[in-house]
Amino acid sequence: GESVGLHLPTLSVQEGDNSIINCAYSNSASDYFIWYKQESGKGPQFIIDIRSNMDKRQGQRVTVLLNKTVKHLSLQIAATQPGDSAVYFCAERTGYSTLTFGKGTMLLVSP
Amino acid sequence: DGGITQSPKYLFRKEGQNVTLSCEQNLNHDAMYWYRQDPGQGLRLIYYSQIVNDFQKGDIAEGYSVSREKKESFPLTVTSAQKNPTAFYLCASSIRGTGNTIYFGEGSWLTVV
Repeated sequence: GESVGLHLPTLSVQEGDNSIINCAYSNSASDYFIWYKQESGKGPQFIIDIRSNMDKRQGQRVTVLLNKTVKHLSLQIAATQPGDSAVYFCAERTGYSTLTFGKGTMLLVSP
Repeated sequence: DGGITQSPKYLFRKEGQNVTLSCEQNLNHDAMYWYRQDPGQGLRLIYYSQIVNDFQKGDIAEGYSVSREKKESFPLTVTSAQKNPTAFYLCASSIRGTGNTIYFGEGSWLTVV
């Protein structure tokens, strides 16, 4: 039981392509969002976050876009590399509550 | 190095046995959390603690227990009352308050034999 990615939506891309992973969140009152990357058999790693007063935030090779009107979050990865292959989760937080996680998307990058 | 340490990485439990998963953090974080992850599923919250000597049930607390005697430590006991304990367990921590990132440990695999 090493895999946590069974039966997940999967995005397959070629090395060097740009990847876009989407997430629909549920609570219009959520004010903070995080993207995590989880490699097989490991704990989730923080990638990037965004607060609800922002529409876009950029990191190194990654960009998060937030559309509050349709409750949609996306993660863009530029020049995708084989090392980016993993399951990606979005998470939302409402006030002092804990995080609520999406089920994740598996990204497969072919050389 | 600062971080969250979970042990053991792999644990096997016999029917009717209680087992305890360890979680230690040296990040000086106030809040700590336990999540359960099943294949193809999102993370589900078991218990969380915002301060020492206080903790709250999450969404799936039945069959689990925790303690928070020290800021650095938040052990999870999987009791015999948990009927389907085989899963990947993740401990996490954060600075107390809103909008703060939760950081995760490397996880522990529990299998019932």
